[in-house]
Amino acid sequence: QVQLMESGGGVVQPGRSLRLSCAASGFTFSSYAMHWVRQAPGKGLEWVAVISYDGSNKNYADSVKGRFTISRDNSKNTLYLQMNSLRAEDTAVYYCARDLGWLQFRADIWGQGTMVTVSS
Amino acid sequence: QSVLTQPPSASGTPGQRVTISCSGSSSNIGSNPVNWYQQLPGAAPKLLIYTNNQRPSGVPDRFSGSKSGTSASLAISGLQSEDEADYYCAAWDDSMIGVVFGGGTKLTVL
Repeated sequence: QVQLMESGGGVVQPGRSLRLSCAASGFTFSSYAMHWVRQAPGKGLEWVAVISYDGSNKNYADSVKGRFTISRDNSKNTLYLQMNSLRAEDTAVYYCARDLGWLQFRADIWGQGTMVTVSS
Repeated sequence: QSVLTQPPSASGTPGQRVTISCSGSSSNIGSNPVNWYQQLPGAAPKLLIYTNNQRPSGVPDRFSGSKSGTSASLAISGLQSEDEADYYCAAWDDSMIGVVFGGGTKLTVL
């Protein structure tokens, strides 16, 4: 079935790095734009980044620009989020989501999320 | 502070109709489609309404969306206990060059 599965979360110290992965299955991954969205504990949803179907276009939230990098490997059906210079405010559940279009956020498939905790 | 403005809470009794508003600006709702997401407790968000008023397959027709100018709304008719969840509006923002969300509305079924 159509599915996204995140991995790579954990506890990390401020200033360190972490890479999240999102494995796609059940659909043609290379045909869809993909997003990362996060949710801090007890808070609302916050968009993080988007990448086009072929990886040629990327956009980031101001809160992560210059620190996070979104990428994809279509041969491995996998989406990535490289997170550098992590801060306490980056603590959140990180979701990957498939977009039915481009720059519209019609996110019809979501992963179950992976928790990232930034703490000393 | 979220770019899109939603009421933090809403409530209704079973069978009632409730509406949730979402207010934005010309750079987001005013120029781009609005999508609505439902997040049940402990679960990932789920696409509920896309492109202002379209329902994905499997979403009951009790859920409907509308948009006018720089505002949008989600209506739920025939309220059921399983509708108790957080609801978020979202849209692309041409100025911020990214997706913006509402702060979310917690719906309680009394």
